[in-house]
Amino acid sequence: DIVMTQTPLSSPVTLGQPASISCRSSESLVHSDGNTYLSWLQQRPGQPPRLLIYKISTRFSGVPDRFSGSGAGTDFTLKISRVEAEDVGVYYCMQATQFPRTFGQGTKVEIK
Amino acid sequence: QVQLQQWGAGLLKPSETLSLTCAVYGGSFTNYYWSWLRQPPGKGLEWIGEINHSGSTNYNPSLKSRVTISLDTSKNQFSLKLSSVTAADTAVYYCARGFSHWGQGTLVTVSS
Repeated sequence: DIVMTQTPLSSPVTLGQPASISCRSSESLVHSDGNTYLSWLQQRPGQPPRLLIYKISTRFSGVPDRFSGSGAGTDFTLKISRVEAEDVGVYYCMQATQFPRTFGQGTKVEIK
Repeated sequence: QVQLQQWGAGLLKPSETLSLTCAVYGGSFTNYYWSWLRQPPGKGLEWIGEINHSGSTNYNPSLKSRVTISLDTSKNQFSLKLSSVTAADTAVYYCARGFSHWGQGTLVTVSS
């Protein structure tokens, strides 16, 4: 299985300030079709996960542009340009390049 | 707008079979993979498996011997069965369309 490792596991952030989460995979996530199936999901307290970004950097419908994704191969980053109160929750990276699909441990974003 | 609504028994005894169903409203059943995932209380996400509109399945090897995912295209529903459950199977179970649209989650507790 591909192991997804996120850092940090907790990120206290001041409102209006940026936040960044890293995700590293144990193997390259480049698929044989040339795509890299790395996604980011947000899970607010008590809610199901919500897809934010797929294929490294494509924002899903309705996702604010303060969220951005970058990276390649085995190293990926999610950035929030200016954290808002509604961004509080746990963020997961996820790979869908290989079976089984696997997730990072999650990074808890909270307001200082 | 696609909506997923799931239901099933929330309390099971060890060795029983978990059974959940997810109904899809407002979208086509074709051209997508329909997934089941779970999240133990206070922990991260685990992918259980998926099925496409033609009935082709992929399962997590860690659960494969106990899992069956099926679909009923006439009802726009898909289902999860997990046999021989133990306390380790206690989790919130989610259905999803790929990873972009999620059901509300069902807490399944296994206890004698």
